[in-house]
Amino acid sequence: DAKTTQPPSMDCAEGRAANLPCNHSTISGNEYVYWYRQIHSQGPQYIIHGLKNNETNEMASLIITEDRKSSTLILPHATLRDTAVYYCIVRVKRRDSSYKLIFGSGTRLLVRP
Amino acid sequence: NAGVTQTPKFQVLKTGQSMTLQCAQDMNHEYMSWYRQDPGMGLRLIHYSVGAGITDQGEVPNGYNVSRSTTEDFPLRLLSAAPSQTSVYFCASRKTRETYEQYFGPGTRLTVT
Repeated sequence: DAKTTQPPSMDCAEGRAANLPCNHSTISGNEYVYWYRQIHSQGPQYIIHGLKNNETNEMASLIITEDRKSSTLILPHATLRDTAVYYCIVRVKRRDSSYKLIFGSGTRLLVRP
Repeated sequence: NAGVTQTPKFQVLKTGQSMTLQCAQDMNHEYMSWYRQDPGMGLRLIHYSVGAGITDQGEVPNGYNVSRSTTEDFPLRLLSAAPSQTSVYFCASRKTRETYEQYFGPGTRLTVT
């Protein structure tokens, strides 16, 4: 199964962009990259996902390199409420056609006032 | 919609005791799953279900049983609790096995002494 590598922690100033990197060098061609975040001890929250193209939604942007071996999650204007652990995840297809999300250790993002 | 609900929020068990963690969703989602999260780690999949009457094992199923008699409910049973099962347990659901967005419950913090 593909695995992801993320820095254990990062910080950024409030109002600035937060760029969270992720390596997934063993990803297969049909495996999606997902990002979730976990605020304090709550359940994880879906942010965004992508396969090959860059994606943007109301929460964030996802930039995937052309070789798909790495990606970057961008929070364009980080707020204090964005302080959380961010998980970069590869979605792997099972034999029964369902999908599983393989969580790594994540990046703890601290947004400073 | 209440989303994904879990009870209890906190539980302390003695070694060898049994208990059931409850999970329910009111979004008519076909797919439900249970994860455990240990300190400083990502989530690991225990069991999952792609629909009522169908369950399957995840990465760490030993010591846990599940059943899915209705679409709404997906209880997790610990038959004989062990200290190694001390963890935070999250239930999650998504509309179908292929749907990209997964919704997590608030978690149950279990301590086994």
